[in-house]
Amino acid sequence: NAGVTQTPKFRVLKTGQSMTLLCAQDMNHEYMYWYRQDPGMGLRLIHYSVGEGTTAKGEVPDGYNVSRLKKQNFLLGLESAAPSQTSVYFCASSSPPPLDEQFFGPGTRLTVL
Amino acid sequence: KQEVTQIPAALSVPEGENLVLNCSFTDSAIYNLQWFRQDPGKGLTSLLLIQSSQREQTSGRLNASLDKSSGRSTLYIAASQPGDSATYLCAVRQYSSASKIIFGSGTRLSIRP
Repeated sequence: NAGVTQTPKFRVLKTGQSMTLLCAQDMNHEYMYWYRQDPGMGLRLIHYSVGEGTTAKGEVPDGYNVSRLKKQNFLLGLESAAPSQTSVYFCASSSPPPLDEQFFGPGTRLTVL
Repeated sequence: KQEVTQIPAALSVPEGENLVLNCSFTDSAIYNLQWFRQDPGKGLTSLLLIQSSQREQTSGRLNASLDKSSGRSTLYIAASQPGDSATYLCAVRQYSSASKIIFGSGTRLSIRP
């Protein structure tokens, strides 16, 4: 039982490049989330999904897109990376409320030059 | 707008002491509150989840309390150990909404041997 996994763990991009971060969970959770964590800003929700085929915007969605084609996977895409997107990205999953304890992946450290 | 505050930002105590970490929130219409620990360079690990109808939850040496009327939650750690050193974050989920999860900035705890 791996829980929540994220790939890659580290990535360096140049401004304007694109990439996709993959999140996978094996807990059969309906809800999945993408957060970014920045010093002094805490954790902020980028996008989330309440089920396969659904996505919704969180607090800071600009510059990101997501897809949830399979229940166990949640992809975060950066179409044209900017230095402001340098951050640590965390994926999380949970069951719907009231059993909505969130479980987090280990994170992806992204640097955009 | 919900705001979640954790004071102090950093705390250092000698091994063996009992300690309390604080989390305050401005809007009492919460669905639940979750406490996490985060080790340096790692993801978040769930410690305790308290539903809005509950007053406290316990797990081993940890006890979390919730007082919605005063907008406060505390995390009590008994008989602290050096392995408890980490950053502790609380997160509030607004009433029954997947997107309304607000994190505090965390308290960085250091246990001195």
